[in-house]
Amino acid sequence: DSGVTQTPKHLITATGQRVTLRCSPRSGDLSVYWYQQSLDQGLQFLIQYYNGEERAKGNILERFSAQQFPDLHSELNLSSLELGDSALYFCASSVGAGEKLFFGSGTQLSVL
Amino acid sequence: GDSVTQMEGPVTLSEEAFLTINCTYTATGYPSLFWYVQYPGEGLQLLLKATKADDKGSNKGFEATYRKETTSFHLEKGSVQVSDSAVYFCALIPRGQGAQKLVFGQGTRLTINP
Repeated sequence: DSGVTQTPKHLITATGQRVTLRCSPRSGDLSVYWYQQSLDQGLQFLIQYYNGEERAKGNILERFSAQQFPDLHSELNLSSLELGDSALYFCASSVGAGEKLFFGSGTQLSVL
Repeated sequence: GDSVTQMEGPVTLSEEAFLTINCTYTATGYPSLFWYVQYPGEGLQLLLKATKADDKGSNKGFEATYRKETTSFHLEKGSVQVSDSAVYFCALIPRGQGAQKLVFGQGTRLTINP
């Protein structure tokens, strides 16, 4: 158990809808990272937050947004969903901006 | 840009066989190198790492040596077990950068048959 909790584990929705994925980092970790894992793109970094502030952006679509709350949990919001958004979304956390990441078990999103 | 290339899978071996999963990288300078493992239904876990040339990372019987002359970080294990069945990812972080710059390879699915 990595200590990183993601909910829900599975999410099935329709095109055009909006969903929210939730992540609770390990106790004491200030950084949260979001990744998308798909068969064709592999693991893609989406965005990082550190202590409530956006720290780095990767290949995140404009339809996607995230935030980190004062209690350090984070949410990833995906809107106007398309079939191609179907993927496994991982959250990871680290103490600071260091190298060692701890990953959650992911949220499997299926857009039908 | 920085990139990681892994041998394509899937790889299927019998228990107690020798394992090698090839990984090469392209990066400016000397990045930190990692192997992550993803067991079925779980998130990625750090398996081992090496931060400078000729370093050998090791964990759970797995080893990988940082070879700057061949820009490689091949994963090896002398005798695999069924429980090693998983997807293995080679990754790098450019020198001086943080985890937000982590670059993953495509992953190699390993299946070990009893």
